[in-house]
Amino acid sequence: EVQLVQSGPEVKKPGESLRISCKGSGYSFTRYWLGWVRQMPGKGLEWMGIIYPGDSDTRYSPSFQGLVTISADKSINTAYLQWGSLRASDTAMYYCARPAVADRYEAFDLWGQGTMVIVS
Amino acid sequence: IVLTQSPGTLSMSPGERATLSCRANQTVSNNYLAWFQQNPGQAPRLLIYGASTRATGIPDRFSGSGSGTDFSLTISRLEPEDFAVYYCHQYGSSPTFGQGTKVEIK
Repeated sequence: EVQLVQSGPEVKKPGESLRISCKGSGYSFTRYWLGWVRQMPGKGLEWMGIIYPGDSDTRYSPSFQGLVTISADKSINTAYLQWGSLRASDTAMYYCARPAVADRYEAFDLWGQGTMVIVS
Repeated sequence: IVLTQSPGTLSMSPGERATLSCRANQTVSNNYLAWFQQNPGQAPRLLIYGASTRATGIPDRFSGSGSGTDFSLTISRLEPEDFAVYYCHQYGSSPTFGQGTKVEIK
């Protein structure tokens, strides 16, 4: 089964660091862009950035550049989203997602279940 | 690119036709415009990509149209499971989402 499985919920304090993960299975992980989307409580979707695990080419939204780091370990088919110093405003649900087509950035059609991050 | 969706909320009855709008402040390159549906507590689901192509498994009551800066999603006959929040998304240049339209039961 083709799926993305994300790590579990996190409760952290302001100033702490955090890395959440997204593991792909059932497909060629290195050939599909993988992105991250934020959804703050009761709010809409925000595109954060994407990575191509094959060569670690990474693109960020200007709104998130410098605030988070996206990475991938292709040896274990896992992508990461990390913060060096969390803020209360980072409290949100974070989704990883993948387009339907390999080797091209298209709209996301496969989504992880989401990771809730609470900073308080 | 800033995407503005209207209306913010659409109050409809089952069986009615719903039309949602998404306007961009710049041309969306290659009509790289998608629509997503999101139900409470769930991840978004891709409905439409390339402005008008239905994603796999999406019923034909969903249709997308438009080009350039003006796009729309039409649900021809609302089913109970269609009452949800809908987002447009441009993935052509520094991808962004619209703020969403909630389709609620009247």
